[in-house]
Amino acid sequence: DAMVIQNPRYQVTQFGKPVTLSCSQTLNHNVMYWYQQKSSQAPKLLFHYYDKDFNNEADTPDNFQSRRPNTSFCFLDIRSPGLGDAAMYLCATSSASNEQFFGPGTRLTVL
Amino acid sequence: GEDVEQSLFLSVREGDSSVINCTYTDSSSTYLYWYKQEPGAGLQLLTYIFSNMDMKQDQRLTVLLNKKDKHLSLRIADTQTGDSAIYFCAETGAGNTPLVFGKGTRLSVIA
Repeated sequence: DAMVIQNPRYQVTQFGKPVTLSCSQTLNHNVMYWYQQKSSQAPKLLFHYYDKDFNNEADTPDNFQSRRPNTSFCFLDIRSPGLGDAAMYLCATSSASNEQFFGPGTRLTVL
Repeated sequence: GEDVEQSLFLSVREGDSSVINCTYTDSSSTYLYWYKQEPGAGLQLLTYIFSNMDMKQDQRLTVLLNKKDKHLSLRIADTQTGDSAIYFCAETGAGNTPLVFGKGTRLSVIA
């Protein structure tokens, strides 16, 4: 089935140790998004790619970076994770239809 | 900026109907969505409605849109224990603009 895949589902890192979360999609959608969701809160958009065009939200910390090497893959890099970065990270994709499809998320723990 | 508001909690008995309400502020909203999130999982798109529609029905789900009052509702008929989850209302404009989410309504179904 076509889908949005996130790996790993659970990631543990140490304070200050760089970590990369990955997302892949088989939907061939041109738009990919990264959201951060903290407990009992709505997902917060960090950035999105429209094809290769990168769009950063104004309040996304510099600590968060993203790469999209091709249509199928998108990575979220956290350069120096702090305790406040512990959250669920959700990847989503969309195409011209405007429906956004979400992956299962990666839960990040920072020790 | 755009804002989406939802009540935080709803509790219903199994077999009853659930109605989850949402209000939004962006008069240029083009698409309005309902997502379901189960514990530890990503967001599952349940249904969406275009802003030029008043109602959309899909099996047990009925979406009502009052564009004048900027009010959206999701009715779940014959609510089951498997419907227990957090339901997010979201809106977006045209052209793959990012979603703006409400804080989510936690639906508890009592057997």
